[in-house]
Amino acid sequence: AQRVTQPEKLLSVFKGAPVELKCNYSYSGSPELFWYVQYSRQRLQLLLRHISRESIKGFTADLNKGETSFHLKKPFAQEEDSAMYYCALKGVTGGGNKLTFGTGTQLKVEL
Amino acid sequence: GAGVSQSPSNKVTEKGKDVELRCDPISGHTALYWYRQSLGQGLEFLIYFQGNSAPDKSGLPSDRFSAERTGGSVSTLTIQRTQQEDSAVYLCASSINTGGYTFGSGTRLTVV
Repeated sequence: AQRVTQPEKLLSVFKGAPVELKCNYSYSGSPELFWYVQYSRQRLQLLLRHISRESIKGFTADLNKGETSFHLKKPFAQEEDSAMYYCALKGVTGGGNKLTFGTGTQLKVEL
Repeated sequence: GAGVSQSPSNKVTEKGKDVELRCDPISGHTALYWYRQSLGQGLEFLIYFQGNSAPDKSGLPSDRFSAERTGGSVSTLTIQRTQQEDSAVYLCASSINTGGYTFGSGTRLTVV
């Protein structure tokens, strides 16, 4: 079974402070991990995927198989980062291209 | 089309009525997905179509829910005898076989 856990429903930080959105997963095989973001009144969109190993809008995420984590990080939060963030997992060894999502973390960046 | 299109954007229906939600995926995307987004519940998988394969219906919450995809393109999600707990945003997404998803803007369903 695939499971994604995002322990924080709401994360509030000040502008310029570091951000870390936590994501842990449970999957017996080799997973692909993603972060999706939904800004206010916009569609859910892909932020980054672990196989790309890229930084998008200053965000990075490293897959840690030992800790089964894929935390999203940004060194200096900006006001425009305020949004809902979802971590998602695709099981490479089963389930096709189906994604399992976490419950999401609302990030609020305060001035 | 340029993106995933869903209609209607909002639907208010009376308890016990049937509703149909439509999704028009990106042309050429072989896979189509339906999810339900509820406050505090995240995105709940409902059903997944991949090419000509049998759909993965493992996420449908009850037999009141069904979906079909005609001609490998447009999909319709049908909810029969709607209940108040069906109120949610229903999201459709499409992808090329192994790619990331492109989501539609969703249909907000309110059952009164």
